[in-house]
Amino acid sequence: AQSVTQLGSHVSVSEGALVLLRCNYSSSVPPYLFWYVQYPNQGLQLLLKYTTGATLVKGINGFEAEFKKSETSFHLTKPSAHMSDAAEYFCAVSDQDNYGQNFVFGPGTRLSVLP
Amino acid sequence: DAGITQSPRYKITETGRQVTLMCHQTWSHSYMFWYRQDLGHGLRLIYYSAAADITDKGEVPDGYVVSRSKTENFPLTLESATRSQTSVYFCASSWVNQPQHFGDGTRLSIL
Repeated sequence: AQSVTQLGSHVSVSEGALVLLRCNYSSSVPPYLFWYVQYPNQGLQLLLKYTTGATLVKGINGFEAEFKKSETSFHLTKPSAHMSDAAEYFCAVSDQDNYGQNFVFGPGTRLSVLP
Repeated sequence: DAGITQSPRYKITETGRQVTLMCHQTWSHSYMFWYRQDLGHGLRLIYYSAAADITDKGEVPDGYVVSRSKTENFPLTLESATRSQTSVYFCASSWVNQPQHFGDGTRLSIL
């Protein structure tokens, strides 16, 4: 069975500061990994995904994440936070053999950006 | 416009009532999903469908019924609503081996 943990249910950063949201996963098979963002009263939007190939993945809005197999991690970063980045962020894992139906989400991290 | 739409966006009902949440997608995605989102639990899969007339249970299926007679529609029915089913419900769709696309959700309150 797969699982995802996200360290910190709430993270606060100052505008212009580094954003680091942590995600660790557990999977018995090679994983596909994703970060989604959710703005208030909206659905989830895909930020970025790792399937195969390059372990550093760039996404939308200046975010990137690095797949580290040895650490079973897929942390999300952004060099400089913007007020518009305030949202809920979800890490998710799927296995390569059951991509369509086996999607497990972490509990989410709420990012606050302080002026 | 192409996309995935959920209706209604907000619903208030009483315990014991039947309620149906609608989901419609215009991409002809083969896969469709229903999740519920609760504080502290993230998103939990209720049911999913790999194609028309093919559905399967997710993590928390009890108390819910789904059908998929057409590729583009995937309604979720609570046959006899309970207070524990108060939640925000999200529908999603995807191609095989592609990320899921989400609707804007239905906020359901059961009194």
